[in-house]
Amino acid sequence: GQQVMQIPQYQHVQEGEDFTTYCNSSTTLSNIQWYKQRPGGHPVFLIQLVKSGEVKKQKRLTFQFGEAKKNSSLHITATQTTDVGTYFCAGAGAGNNRKLIWGLGTSLAVNP
Amino acid sequence: DTAVSQTPKYLVTQMGNDKSIKCEQNLGHDTMYWYKQDSKKFLKIMFSYNNKELIINETVPNRFSPKSPDKAHLNLHINSLELGDSAVYFCASSRTPFGFYEQYFGPGTRLTVT
Repeated sequence: GQQVMQIPQYQHVQEGEDFTTYCNSSTTLSNIQWYKQRPGGHPVFLIQLVKSGEVKKQKRLTFQFGEAKKNSSLHITATQTTDVGTYFCAGAGAGNNRKLIWGLGTSLAVNP
Repeated sequence: DTAVSQTPKYLVTQMGNDKSIKCEQNLGHDTMYWYKQDSKKFLKIMFSYNNKELIINETVPNRFSPKSPDKAHLNLHINSLELGDSAVYFCASSRTPFGFYEQYFGPGTRLTVT
């Protein structure tokens, strides 16, 4: 069945360093969503990518969707302590299988 | 107004007991979900309802029984609780069941089985 792999599982950075998490799907996706979960909190929707090769920015966060719509990345420039949390990608299959498949998440720790 | 609310926030109980978690959304969404998040943070979908109809039922023990009295409410009843049921349970909702719309999550219910 469809799988969404997310790496790395954990990342520890010094404040000010950049951070990237990657998602790879075994099948072509119709769209991909990104969520952030702060420690002790619940997942919160960040953004959705739909088009092949799409790039979207939210302040220091840059989201990309691959040309083949099978991979995506989230890049944070100059991390801050407020970026701490777990970042999840979730991809919806193409065609009739539109169920959202979740990645395992990347937990980001930032040293001040 | 909280968009997706869950009660209780914490639940501590003993093995073998039966417990329920309630969820309500005021977003007017058609679809609601239950997720289980274990200590490793993996979000596992358990059930999904669309307009009170069960549409996703993952491989979950039949001790777990969801119930949707109307499209704004989705409850989860768990029979004969086991240690492995300890986790955070999240309720979520979205406009439609397909993955095109974002999901809104409740604050979670932390279940501890002793």
